[in-house]
Amino acid sequence: KNQVEQSPQSLIILEGKNCTLQCNYTVSPFSNLRWYKQDTGRGPVSLTIMTFSENTKSNGRYTATLDADTKQSSLHITASQLSDSASYICVVHTNAGKSTFGDGTTLTVKP
Amino acid sequence: DTEVTQTPKHLVMGMTNKKSLKCEQHMGHRAMYWYKQKAKKPPELMFVYSYEKLSINESVPSRFSPECPNSSLLNLHLHALQPEDSALYLCASSQDPGQGRQRSNQPQHFGDGTRLSIL
Repeated sequence: KNQVEQSPQSLIILEGKNCTLQCNYTVSPFSNLRWYKQDTGRGPVSLTIMTFSENTKSNGRYTATLDADTKQSSLHITASQLSDSASYICVVHTNAGKSTFGDGTTLTVKP
Repeated sequence: DTEVTQTPKHLVMGMTNKKSLKCEQHMGHRAMYWYKQKAKKPPELMFVYSYEKLSINESVPSRFSPECPNSSLLNLHLHALQPEDSALYLCASSQDPGQGRQRSNQPQHFGDGTRLSIL
């Protein structure tokens, strides 16, 4: 069964600190992996999209990594800000256009 | 402001009512999606429209009826809903629906959703 597992389920960090969120998947055949940020009461916003051949991709203070061999991805947030408080969702897409969502990691950044 | 506009933002309806959710995008995207999201859960895909034709229906009950009148609009018609259908309904669009590795690498742009409550 295609699955996407995210860890931790929730995370609290202090403003200015770095953090790393994890995403492990068993989805096949793999097409791409996406990280989304969803603020409370808003729709998800795309942060990065990574294909099979990409190992790392950055978007400002967000850096995503992908190891297609071990089927693992991470999202690293540098110098966190209060506005980073949100749910971070990992989504894996197949070549057939199917998508599997992880349950998300809820990040809280405290002053 | 998002580039995908959903109306209304909130909707409260009884189980016997008929209502419609609307979604609009003017980015020239040819794929549009409906998702259902329960609290503290990820979005669940309901329908995908590709070039204005329904391409994916994830076994959604018939009380939800999608419609794509043109390439910019997507509706979700609701009838005889149940209390468990209360959720945030998200619309999304992407440039190309994608059938292979090359064309599917497009981000989905989400609206902010309609929060639906069934009494």
